[in-house]
Amino acid sequence: AQSVTQPDIHITVSEGASLELRCNYSYGATPYLFWYVQSPGQGLQLLLKYFSGDTLVQGIKGFEAEFKRSQSSFNLRKPSVHWSDAAEYFCAVETRDDKIIFGKGTRLHILP
Amino acid sequence: GAGVSQSPRYKVAKRGQDVALRCDPISGHVSLFWYQQALGQGPEFLTYFQNEAQLDKSGLPSDRFFAERPEGSVSTLKIQRTQQEDSAVYLCASSPLGRTDTQYFGPGTRLTVL
Repeated sequence: AQSVTQPDIHITVSEGASLELRCNYSYGATPYLFWYVQSPGQGLQLLLKYFSGDTLVQGIKGFEAEFKRSQSSFNLRKPSVHWSDAAEYFCAVETRDDKIIFGKGTRLHILP
Repeated sequence: GAGVSQSPRYKVAKRGQDVALRCDPISGHVSLFWYQQALGQGPEFLTYFQNEAQLDKSGLPSDRFFAERPEGSVSTLKIQRTQQEDSAVYLCASSPLGRTDTQYFGPGTRLTVL
């Protein structure tokens, strides 16, 4: 069965530090992969998506993610976080029957 | 332009009551999706419309859940005889065309069943 695992429930980094949020998926074919961000009281916002081609994907707000087929991973990175990046981040995969399966999320805390 | 809007933003219901949650998608968007997000979890797919046709309702947890989009625009998710386990945030999303298009999410309706 298709699944998405985000192993870190909470991550805390200092403002200005680099960030990497981990995501592993289980899927039999080349997946469509997504990262969404959810701020308190806000809807989910798409940060970036991977369908095919270049495995390093650039997104909004300075985020990027790298698709690694050999590791079944799609980790999200940002070189320098800002206090406004504090939010919950969801990795997601689109399945063969066009459903989107979300991970359980990683809550990012930023230290001043 | 306006994004996806949902109403009410918060709903408290007594167990056994019926509730109706409304979603106004982005104008012109063909596809509309409903998700359920329990506390501490990621969103889980409930159902999908393309225009007025409900093409997939495999995620609806029971026959107490019913969704409609009669004119291919506004959608309503109805939950009959609410139970405590129905407490969650219900998210609506729309996309311009098919399911592989970017989905734009509304702020959600937080349903609490007492």
